[in-house]
Amino acid sequence: SQTIHQWPATLVQPVGSPLSLECTVEGTSNPNLYWYRQAAGRGLQLLFYSVGIGQISSEVPQNLSASRPQDRQFILSSKKLLLSDSGFYLCAWSVRHQPYEQYFGPGTRLTVT
Amino acid sequence: AQSVSQHNHHVILSEAASLELGCNYSYGGTVNLFWYVQYPGQHLQLLLKYFSGDPLVKGIKGFEAEFIKSKFSFNLRKPSVQWSDTAEYFCAVNVRGSARQLTFGSGTQLTVLP
Repeated sequence: SQTIHQWPATLVQPVGSPLSLECTVEGTSNPNLYWYRQAAGRGLQLLFYSVGIGQISSEVPQNLSASRPQDRQFILSSKKLLLSDSGFYLCAWSVRHQPYEQYFGPGTRLTVT
Repeated sequence: AQSVSQHNHHVILSEAASLELGCNYSYGGTVNLFWYVQYPGQHLQLLLKYFSGDPLVKGIKGFEAEFIKSKFSFNLRKPSVQWSDTAEYFCAVNVRGSARQLTFGSGTQLTVLP
């Protein structure tokens, strides 16, 4: 069966520090991968999605970037964190040619201080 | 671009009460519709989905939803809620054929009192 991992589970970082959140998927090949940010009372906002290695689409211009160095690895990064980057970050995957259902990871709670 | 509206931000019910959570979307084309649930401390997980066919779909744990195309609605229902249904519920829309994304509503926090 497929599983999706995210780490770390929680992270506290000072303003101006770099960020790297990692997401890996097991049990499937060539998935679509997604990064969302969840804010209280605002649902989930899509940040990035990827349909293949090195292929990244950005949905919201901001202080973050994403990379996909391997088929089942998706990384969310920032060079310098802002206070407004605090939030709950979710990674998700879907089947490449049936991208309707998305399956979510456990999330990372990021607090920028 | 499509959007999703969930009308109730917080719903409080007693056990055995009936539940209906509203969801409306705006998009003129063909869509897939979903309800996701996030129990306290757990992953966001799929509750039920509609792709085509019978507009009344049944999901896990006794939940069901009805797609009414003319009203652009996909309301979630359960005849009798339990304390364990306390969770946040999200409606989502995906444009048919798009790898791009799910568009989520803002969520409804359901609290069921024992």
